[in-house]
Amino acid sequence: QVQLVESGGGVVQPGTSLRLSCAVSGFTFSSYGMHWVRQAPGKGLEWVAVISYDGSDKYYVDSVKGRFTISRDNSKNTLYLQMDSLRAEDTAVYHCAKADGGGIYRPVDYWGQGTLVTVSS
Amino acid sequence: DIQMTQSPSSLSASVGDRVTITCRASQGISNYLAWFQQKPGKAPKSLISAASSLQSGVPSKFSGSGSGTDFTLTISSLQPEDFATYYCQQYSTYPLTFGGGTKVEIK
Repeated sequence: QVQLVESGGGVVQPGTSLRLSCAVSGFTFSSYGMHWVRQAPGKGLEWVAVISYDGSDKYYVDSVKGRFTISRDNSKNTLYLQMDSLRAEDTAVYHCAKADGGGIYRPVDYWGQGTLVTVSS
Repeated sequence: DIQMTQSPSSLSASVGDRVTITCRASQGISNYLAWFQQKPGKAPKSLISAASSLQSGVPSKFSGSGSGTDFTLTISSLQPEDFATYYCQQYSTYPLTFGGGTKVEIK
């Protein structure tokens, strides 16, 4: 069955960096687009970034452009989110999510449980 | 950016009730609309894509409709396991955007 397992979250100070990972199984990772979606405590869902099946297409929400980088290693079945210059407003649970196709205009069909990132001094 | 407006933001309903949630896009998105269910402390679950197509394994009591700017999610007969928060999302244009959510509570 499809599994998405995030890791790498933690408590960090403003201005520092963190890299999240999402290890996947149960499907051919290299054939599907992948997303990061976050949820601040007590708030709704916010889309963060997407990457196409081969890494050739990437988009970001404006609030993270220039600070976050989405990438993937298809040989390791792993999705990444490099987060630099972290701010307090980046505090959230970060979910990875699988699209139902290879391109970036496909809906999400599976979600991971998420990893909590807390940015605080 | 495309704004997604859900209504109501919360509702109280009884087991067996028919519930309808609406989602309005600030511009036309054809049928590039998905619905998700989220229970407290859990990952979201995908219910519907392309405005009306049920994801695999989702019971037929859930249905979606609409195109363009106005969409609805209907739960035909509310059951205890359906009490949750529901979100719509457009995937027509980047950045992708979610509605603010509708919390369905027990009356």
